[in-house]
Amino acid sequence: KAGVTQTPRYLIKTRGQQVTLSCSPISGHRSVSWYQQTPGQGLQFLFEYFSETQRNKGNFPGRFSGRQFSNSRSEMNVSTLELGDSALYLCASTSVTGAGTEAFFGQGTRLTVV
Amino acid sequence: QQQVKQSPQSLIVQKGGISIINCAYENTAFDYFPWYQQFPGKGPALLIAIRPDVSEKKEGRFTISFNKSAKQFSLHIMDSQPGDSATYFCAASQSGTYKYIFGTGTRLKVLA
Repeated sequence: KAGVTQTPRYLIKTRGQQVTLSCSPISGHRSVSWYQQTPGQGLQFLFEYFSETQRNKGNFPGRFSGRQFSNSRSEMNVSTLELGDSALYLCASTSVTGAGTEAFFGQGTRLTVV
Repeated sequence: QQQVKQSPQSLIVQKGGISIINCAYENTAFDYFPWYQQFPGKGPALLIAIRPDVSEKKEGRFTISFNKSAKQFSLHIMDSQPGDSATYFCAASQSGTYKYIFGTGTRLKVLA
């Protein structure tokens, strides 16, 4: 079974630009979550999508947005990039099992804003 | 109340020793507590997880101990190996939210 695929792996953007990141979840998983990972703030929840609907949103400004397609693939968009947006952006594909809500992460997209 | 506090920030252990990482939470609505292992350049990988109706769960060399009354849980890595050198994150979530609150991470180094 293929894992979570995130593209691209690395991105360099200039302040003020916008960026779109892509995530393909594990086949059969309908929930996709996004997290931002930085050395200072750790792993922080951005938002979660299930069947094309955003069900949960973290404490990030409106410049951060996302969407999910009918095939469960998801994209996140960051507009008007700031230097502080430099981070590893992680996508998690989630399934509910008897143990709990298990999240499987992709390798992430390393975004550098210059 | 949404925080998960993790300690220590870093840990150095001799090969064959026991590595212990601790986490504490405040929100009693949390009912799922996973641990993740992350190597440089990789995404976090699910290691082991526990629910609050169980006080201990063991998988191979990894054990979670859970103290519901103290709102604390810990990861024990027995017979630590150099290949275990990574950053470990605890997390907590509430049923139905699909949202994890992560601890700040512990960088473990196992000396050969």
